[in-house]
Amino acid sequence: EADIYQTPRYLVIGTGKKITLECSQTMGHDKMYWYQQDPGMELHLIHYSYGVNSTEKGDLSSESTVSRIRTEHFPLTLESARPSHTSQYLCASSDRNSYSGNTIYFGEGSWLTVV
Amino acid sequence: GENVEQHPSTLSVQEGDSAVIKCTYSDSASNYFPWYKQELGKGPQLIIDIRSNVGEKKDQRIAVTLNKTAKHFSLHITETQPEDSAVYFCAASPLGSASKIIFGSGTRLSIRP
Repeated sequence: EADIYQTPRYLVIGTGKKITLECSQTMGHDKMYWYQQDPGMELHLIHYSYGVNSTEKGDLSSESTVSRIRTEHFPLTLESARPSHTSQYLCASSDRNSYSGNTIYFGEGSWLTVV
Repeated sequence: GENVEQHPSTLSVQEGDSAVIKCTYSDSASNYFPWYKQELGKGPQLIIDIRSNVGEKKDQRIAVTLNKTAKHFSLHITETQPEDSAVYFCAASPLGSASKIIFGSGTRLSIRP
């Protein structure tokens, strides 16, 4: 069982509001990721980090931003939510130095609905 | 860069029958191939993985085969049960700290009672 936690699990918010999705992992993993996924659909990488103070854009363009001030914490922020941001956001992590290579462990996801 | 194609996108099998999901990849440097299962309302969970130095790996009712020459790998589920209903993702990655993992587009597996 992976020790990676996301809050909130479900969020309904009005257009124009600022939101932050929290993600924490207790495995000491260097690499962390945010994926965006519509129900049952493809996983789209939107942000990743290889360690503290490292953040990179993923393959899918996103208006969200991320920060990595602590190893265990990788929050995602939307400054002004829009209905097009409605989706599931999955946080994940992996161990840079593990023999398991790039085994990724996912959180349970945050379901965001913007009305 | 790496590209992973997954087929079929949906699969329905009778309970007790076998299910096979196939993936192909493009980057010959890829040598790590995990499979993830995503149940409704949850995040994907690793169910089995294989490295390029082996051709097959089994874990109870699930098995994965790898053909490096043809650049394809498959997930086999035998004696399917209702709890096998989920979305399955294959992925490919070169081993290495700076490597990104590339996911297939997913297969929705339904088990008919």
